[in-house]
Amino acid sequence: ETGVTQSPTHLIKTRGQQVTLRCSSQSGHNTVSWYQQALGQGPQFIFQYYREEENGRGNFPPRFSGLQFPNYSSELNVNALELDDSALYLCASSPDRQSSYEQYFGPGTRLTVT
Amino acid sequence: AQRVTQPEKLLSVFKGAPVELKCNYSYSGSPELFWYVQYSRQRLQLLLRHISRESIKGFTADLNKGETSFHLKKPFAQEEDSAMYYCALGSNDYKLSFGAGTTVTVRA
Repeated sequence: ETGVTQSPTHLIKTRGQQVTLRCSSQSGHNTVSWYQQALGQGPQFIFQYYREEENGRGNFPPRFSGLQFPNYSSELNVNALELDDSALYLCASSPDRQSSYEQYFGPGTRLTVT
Repeated sequence: AQRVTQPEKLLSVFKGAPVELKCNYSYSGSPELFWYVQYSRQRLQLLLRHISRESIKGFTADLNKGETSFHLKKPFAQEEDSAMYYCALGSNDYKLSFGAGTTVTVRA
């Protein structure tokens, strides 16, 4: 059984640029959630995807967008990067929407915006 | 809006001593509460959930709706319990809200 993987591990971008982060869900999981974790804080829910559709969104502006593919892998896109977007971005997958609180986390992508 | 509060950033206990991590929440609906743990150089993982009422690695947590709390307890702390612990609340819109976390250090 393959766990959740994320790429890249680290990323440095300049303010105003765009970034795409990738996540492969655990085998057999069809639900993916994305979180932003700032230093010293708990993960903050960005959004969730279930069977290729957005299934819930946290308090993040529209420049945070996502996709889920037929194989249930997912992307997080952030446009017009701001310095405050610097954080660890976590992806988590769940067996299905009904058990979406049972989340299996990836190692995260560390994004630095300069 | 839902909110999870973990009042202690750091908690240090001696091996064999009891440990209690506090978690309070606010939510207008019927909450589902969880504890997640992150050991050093490992991923965030689910420790336990209130609905299962099970004990995992000696830890238990009771949901107290009157006090809106879900404190995590273990009667005898072990060195391998040193980790970051997050309390989380699941709301009916499939959103999981995390607290800021408590770092636990168990000293020999």
